[in-house]
Amino acid sequence: KQEVTQIPAALSVPEGENLVLNCSFTDSAIYNLQWFRQDPGKGLTSLLLIQSSQREQTSGRLNASLDKSSGRSTLYIAASQPGDSATYLCAVRTIYGGSQGNLIFGKGTKLSVKP
Amino acid sequence: GAGVSQSPSNKVTEKGKDVELRCDPISGHTALYWYRQSLGQGLEFLIYFQGNSAPDKSGLPSDRFSAERTGGSVSTLTIQRTQQEDSAVYLCASSPNRDSNQPQHFGDGTRLSIL
Repeated sequence: KQEVTQIPAALSVPEGENLVLNCSFTDSAIYNLQWFRQDPGKGLTSLLLIQSSQREQTSGRLNASLDKSSGRSTLYIAASQPGDSATYLCAVRTIYGGSQGNLIFGKGTKLSVKP
Repeated sequence: GAGVSQSPSNKVTEKGKDVELRCDPISGHTALYWYRQSLGQGLEFLIYFQGNSAPDKSGLPSDRFSAERTGGSVSTLTIQRTQQEDSAVYLCASSPNRDSNQPQHFGDGTRLSIL
C-alpha cells in the first residue's frame, strides 16, 4: 500500500529565507508526483507536477525534484515571502492497487513565513 | 464559472440526518473526483467518475456513502444516517480526462459538521 510522508509537519521561517519541504513515498510505481498549496478554508492549488521520467520542475521561485528510486521529493522555495504561508501537500499518482491511478496524499507541511 | 464550484460551503446537521453535497466541475472536464479531508487524517480518495460512470468507488468508507453524476457534469455525494465521524471537509476535483499527467483542479470544499 502506497504511503506518503511529509516532514516537517510545520515550519516557521523569517521572510527572505530559502527553505526545503520534504516528501517521501513507499512505492516507486507512480505516474507522477504533484505539489499543492492549500490556504485556510480553501481547496488545493496545483503548484508543480513532475512526471515519473522527470527529475525536476521549476515555476518562479519554486523548484521541485523527484528521485523515484529512493522515493523522495523536495520542494524548494527561494526567498520566502509572507504570502507563501500555507499548507503544502505532496501527492503521488499510483500505478498499481485498488486505487489505480488515484492521488495518494501526505498530511502536509504547514508553512509560516514571518515578516 | 472558471473553476470547480462546490455547495454548500458549510453544512451543520444532526447525527442521523441525510446530507447531499454538490460539485460543479470545470466545463468540459470528463473526470471528476471526490476526496475527504479529516483533521489529522489528511486527504483520502472517495470516488472517481469518468463521464457519468464510476469505475472506482474503492474509497467510499461505508454503504451510507453514495455518489452520482448526471449529464457528465454535476455530481452529488450523499451521506445517509450521518455519524459524527463523517465530520470533515469534502473536496471535489476535476480534470480534462483520465490522462495520468493531467493536473486535478480542486474546489474550495464543503465543511460538514455533524452534531
